[in-house]
Amino acid sequence: EAQVTQNPRYLITVTGKKLTVTCSQNMNHEYMSWYRQDPGLGLRQIYYSMNVEVTDKGDVPEGYKVSRKEKRNFPLILESPSPNQTSLYFCASRDRVNYNEQFFGPGTRLTVL
Amino acid sequence: GQSLEQPSEVTAVEGAIVQINCTYQTSGFYGLSWYQQHDGGAPTFLSYNALDGLEETGRFSSFLSRSDSYGYLLLQELQMKDSASYFCAVRASSNTGKLIFGQGTTLQVKP
Repeated sequence: EAQVTQNPRYLITVTGKKLTVTCSQNMNHEYMSWYRQDPGLGLRQIYYSMNVEVTDKGDVPEGYKVSRKEKRNFPLILESPSPNQTSLYFCASRDRVNYNEQFFGPGTRLTVL
Repeated sequence: GQSLEQPSEVTAVEGAIVQINCTYQTSGFYGLSWYQQHDGGAPTFLSYNALDGLEETGRFSSFLSRSDSYGYLLLQELQMKDSASYFCAVRASSNTGKLIFGQGTTLQVKP
């Protein structure tokens, strides 16, 4: 089954404790993105990647890091999480041909205390 | 700045037709997409318009007018399961992965 997976789905952590949210897709898509969703603010892009070793900042990259060492994986790293990073996070992927249809992962609900 | 405007909430009854509007102001325009998101779930792709006019997919249609920087999603024969949030999104660059999303419209379908 074609899908985007994220782990963990839920995470409660404390300020300053480094964490990584994994994202993996099995559709051989070139493009991958991370979004955060907050009430009233819609989906805001954090980082995106157009291919292996090619990443760029989205609209809200501060406090986040990403890497794209393999085509299928695009982890999101919070080196020193803060309470304002409490949010619902979505990973998404799409291919270079049907670039208008993004496939989203199930989401990761992160709470930073 | 770049922005997309949508109504925050829309309410309609089962069987009715509802239109969700989206106006955009972006540095570039390479297509308007629509996504549906049920409460707590992942957004799922509904439709896409690159050129002016109407695209129909079953009960859902999407329209685009590039000269007016405007589009809408039309939902016909509403069903209770259509209660969800709907987001418009603009691809603002031809060669990057950047999508700009609207804030979303919550549709409530009543019996």
